[in-house]
Amino acid sequence: EPEVTQTPSHQVTQMGQEVILRCVPISNHLYFYWYRQILGQKVEFLVSFYNNEISEKSEIFDDQFSVERPDGSNFTLKIRSTKLEDSAMYFCASSGLADQETQYFGPGTRLLVL
Amino acid sequence: LAKTTQPISMDSYEGQEVNITCSHNNIATNDYITWYQQFPSQGPRFIIQGYKTKVTNEVASLFIPADRKSSTLSLPRVSLSDTAVYYCLVGDGGTDKLIFGTGTRLQVFP
Repeated sequence: EPEVTQTPSHQVTQMGQEVILRCVPISNHLYFYWYRQILGQKVEFLVSFYNNEISEKSEIFDDQFSVERPDGSNFTLKIRSTKLEDSAMYFCASSGLADQETQYFGPGTRLLVL
Repeated sequence: LAKTTQPISMDSYEGQEVNITCSHNNIATNDYITWYQQFPSQGPRFIIQGYKTKVTNEVASLFIPADRKSSTLSLPRVSLSDTAVYYCLVGDGGTDKLIFGTGTRLQVFP
């Protein structure tokens, strides 16, 4: 069964550093998403991406965040200058054209900002 | 997006059927009802989706009454591995984002 993959599984960084989280969505999917989940809290939507542009973003997704699909397979989330409160699990998800409302999530990247 | 309400937690024993009900009084005509499962430190996993009446797959059943103001996820004969958080989400599919609530934490005991 095809699945969304994410790398790295864990990342530790210093406050103020840039991090790039990588995702490989399911190959024939066209819609891509990033969510985050702070420990013990709800899963929160960050951004959605379709046709090489952001289609929707939340208030969390400020100027420190950016997304990119640098090639035909990867989808990345960049945090330009990390803050302590960016520590969370970051989940990538994707959905297909036929069933856009069904999103398939990756295993997540646990980001710890020190 | 319609707001959903579901119990914070439920307990069950192995082999029992578990029914988790979600209320969504403000569901819109175009909204679908989707349930996800999440294990600790893992991404949410799609379980089932429906619009009305009953939907069944290899994992669960979803019951939706005619007024669609609530829905019930039914897990037949749960096992210890079904211990997880279950989220009910309502949306029209044309909306990109999924809005997760706090979910229902199901604990299955031996």
